[in-house]
Amino acid sequence: AQKVTQAQTEISVVEKEDVTLDCVYETRDTTYYLFWYKQPPSGELVFLIRRNSFDEQNEISGRYSWNFQKSTSSFNFTITASQVVDSAVYFCALLMDSSYKLIFGSGTRLLVRP
Amino acid sequence: DGGITQSPKYLFRKEGQNVTLSCEQNLNHDAMYWYRQDPGQGLRLIYYSQIVNDFQKGDIAEGYSVSREKKESFPLTVTSAQKNPTAFYLCASSIIRQGGAYGYTFGSGTRLTVV
Repeated sequence: AQKVTQAQTEISVVEKEDVTLDCVYETRDTTYYLFWYKQPPSGELVFLIRRNSFDEQNEISGRYSWNFQKSTSSFNFTITASQVVDSAVYFCALLMDSSYKLIFGSGTRLLVRP
Repeated sequence: DGGITQSPKYLFRKEGQNVTLSCEQNLNHDAMYWYRQDPGQGLRLIYYSQIVNDFQKGDIAEGYSVSREKKESFPLTVTSAQKNPTAFYLCASSIIRQGGAYGYTFGSGTRLTVV
């Protein structure tokens, strides 16, 4: 069975701190895709990154970076020098190859305090 | 700009009433989806449609119905059979590539409250 686990329910940091959001997934398939989405208080899901299972290169985009490790089935997300605007719920999700259903973790609520 | 429009943003329903949530996309995506989000939980798939006049049940389809008469539109009806309809509902669309979804885009959601 496929599953995504985000063990951190809520994280609170002070502005400018670095923070890492954990994501662990389960699947027996060899081809799959991993995603991170941001959900601000307004509710919409904002796409952050998509990574396929054959690309284990870490990626950096500004203050955001992602660490994909197939050996531990993890796809962690780090925000460097956090800002108040980063406060949101962050979801990790898994999409199997030739599938239509995104499998979501339960989300991590990040609160960045000034 | 291309995107997905969900309306209304907030919806109140009396117990025993059916209510329909609207979802329209102008991205020319073939596939459309409805997800439900409950507090502290991830999103769960209700229904999806890969093509006009066809749709499939997701994980929690009981108490819901959909139609796909046009490529751009995928309305969701929450029926009186849905025992706990209060939730946040998100519509999405995607391209179909190699038999699966690619390029998911989400709408801004409808918050349904049963009063």
